[in-house]
Amino acid sequence: GENVEQHPSTLSVQEGDSAVIKCTYSDSASNYFPWYKQELGKGPQLIIDIRSNVGEKKDQRIAVTLNKTAKHFSLHITETQPEDSAVYFCAASKGVAGNQFYFGTGTSLTVIP
Amino acid sequence: KAGVTQTPRYLIKTRGQQVTLSCSPISGHRSVSWYQQTPGQGLQFLFEYFSETQRNKGNFPGRFSGRQFSNSRSEMNVSTLELGDSALYLCASSLDTGGNTIYFGEGSWLTVV
Repeated sequence: GENVEQHPSTLSVQEGDSAVIKCTYSDSASNYFPWYKQELGKGPQLIIDIRSNVGEKKDQRIAVTLNKTAKHFSLHITETQPEDSAVYFCAASKGVAGNQFYFGTGTSLTVIP
Repeated sequence: KAGVTQTPRYLIKTRGQQVTLSCSPISGHRSVSWYQQTPGQGLQFLFEYFSETQRNKGNFPGRFSGRQFSNSRSEMNVSTLELGDSALYLCASSLDTGGNTIYFGEGSWLTVV
């Protein structure tokens, strides 16, 4: 099956700085890579996603990059704000076998005011 | 548009009992997936239902089962509960199956004592 590794497990940044979270995947057949933000006591919320036919996608302060050759993808958050503090999960899916997603172990991001 | 609704939000059960969790997907969504989230194992795929049929199943024992109704609502059942079943159970819905974006509910917190 697929194996998704996520680093770092914890990340602290000063407000206004950038944060980068990296994930690698093992199965070259994976073709869809979403990112989720989970706040305490809540379910994961989709924040951005990317498909294998695209190398980069941006949405305001959030961007995701994908390197298919190296099998890794990254989440970039610029101008961080305290409300960005949460746990972030990356995920991968092959698509052809349904909606089964494989998740990374999560990154706890703390933005220090 | 209402999101994914899960009930109950919190429950406490005794070892050996069984539990049924319910999920109402986003209106128009036909695929429902279930995930177990624990601090040690992270987010793990349980199963996916589409058009009342189980599409995929994760690596969980047969004590974990589910079903989907004609209105796309889904239930999952865990029989003979064990202490290790204590977790957040998340339901996610998607328009269709096959690598589509999934949207999570707030989850059902199960504690087994």
